[in-house]
Amino acid sequence: DAMVIQNPRYQVTQFGKPVTLSCSQTLNHNVMYWYQQKSSQAPKLLFHYYDKDFNNEADTPDNFQSRRPNTSFCFLDIRSPGLGDAAMYLCATSRAGGAAAEQFFGPGTRLTVL
Amino acid sequence: AQSVSQHNHHVILSEAASLELGCNYSYGGTVNLFWYVQYPGQHLQLLLKYFSGDPLVKGIKGFEAEFIKSKFSFNLRKPSVQWSDTAEYFCAVNESPGANNLFFGTGTRLTVIP
Repeated sequence: DAMVIQNPRYQVTQFGKPVTLSCSQTLNHNVMYWYQQKSSQAPKLLFHYYDKDFNNEADTPDNFQSRRPNTSFCFLDIRSPGLGDAAMYLCATSRAGGAAAEQFFGPGTRLTVL
Repeated sequence: AQSVSQHNHHVILSEAASLELGCNYSYGGTVNLFWYVQYPGQHLQLLLKYFSGDPLVKGIKGFEAEFIKSKFSFNLRKPSVQWSDTAEYFCAVNESPGANNLFFGTGTRLTVIP
């Protein structure tokens, strides 16, 4: 089945130790998104790629970076995780940009920062 | 920036009861509206969406939602819930046309008691 896959599902890191979260998709969608969802809060968009074009949200901290080496893969790099970065990180894709495009979500990676 | 309000944080219903979950948004322009559902242990899935036309939208599993522009609302309804509807429900909005950023509400947890 076509899907959005996130690895790992659970990630534990130490304060300040860089961590990379992975997302892959078999849907061949143009757009890939990363959301952060803290406990009892709404998912919040960090950035997205439209093909190779990177679009950063204005309030996304510099600590968060992303790479998209090809259509299928997208990575979220947290350069120096703080305790406040502990959250669920959701990857999503959509076929094209445009407001009405449905976004397909992966299962998420739960990040714990010790 | 958009804001999305879901006033019910946790709703508990018995099977066969009717459901209505509230969603209000703040943007005054043209919007696209979505309801996503997250079943326990699963990823976010699209339940239904509105982007134009008939303001009463029907989705999967017997759910429907009504867009009332004058009230900035997009409430989700189901006439008779089942135990399998136990899940977290998220309302989301983006600005039309062209915006990729989905603004989510904080979600409503629905528990259906058999």
